[in-house]
Amino acid sequence: KAGVTQTPRYLIKTRGQQVTLSCSPISGHRSVSWYQQTPGQGLQFLFEYFSETQRNKGNFPGRFSGRQFSNSRSEMNVSTLELGDSALYLCASREGWNTEAFFGQGTRLTVV
Amino acid sequence: GQQVMQIPQYQHVQEGEDFTTYCNSSTTLSNIQWYKQRPGGHPVFLIQLVKSGEVKKQKRLTFQFGEAKKNSSLHITATQTTDVGTYFCAFKLIFGTGTRLQVFP
Repeated sequence: KAGVTQTPRYLIKTRGQQVTLSCSPISGHRSVSWYQQTPGQGLQFLFEYFSETQRNKGNFPGRFSGRQFSNSRSEMNVSTLELGDSALYLCASREGWNTEAFFGQGTRLTVV
Repeated sequence: GQQVMQIPQYQHVQEGEDFTTYCNSSTTLSNIQWYKQRPGGHPVFLIQLVKSGEVKKQKRLTFQFGEAKKNSSLHITATQTTDVGTYFCAFKLIFGTGTRLQVFP
């Protein structure tokens, strides 16, 4: 079984731009959740999608949004980028919302 | 919202010493998971605890779930350099703050 795939692996963007990150979960997994990881803040939960619906949401501003497609692939969008958005964005795939999470390698976003 | 706190934030040990990280919640948890993230890597699932007072072992790692199901611990006996990384506890979608372990040879 293929693992969780995130693209791109690295991204450099300028302040004010927007960015879209992609995550392909493990086949059969319908739950996809997104996390922001920064050195001082640990793993911050952004949102979770299940069967194309946002089921849970963390405490992030509306600039952070996401969606999930019928094949369970998910995208995350950040608009009007700020320097503080520089982080590793991790996607996790689960069979059910309280089961083991399988993480992708992450997308390292740098905002300059 | 649900918060899961971990202590300590950092721990530096000499190879061969033991290490423990603690996870605390203000509310009762139905279960708790533990993950390890190596430097430059992504979190990898280690174990899930479900029962009150449960203790599980994986080689040198011992995981405990508190009787009240509000706390958990991970203990590593005789650390090795391969244990380096950040250890997270997690409840459902929320991850603890993590404990970064550094092991000096």
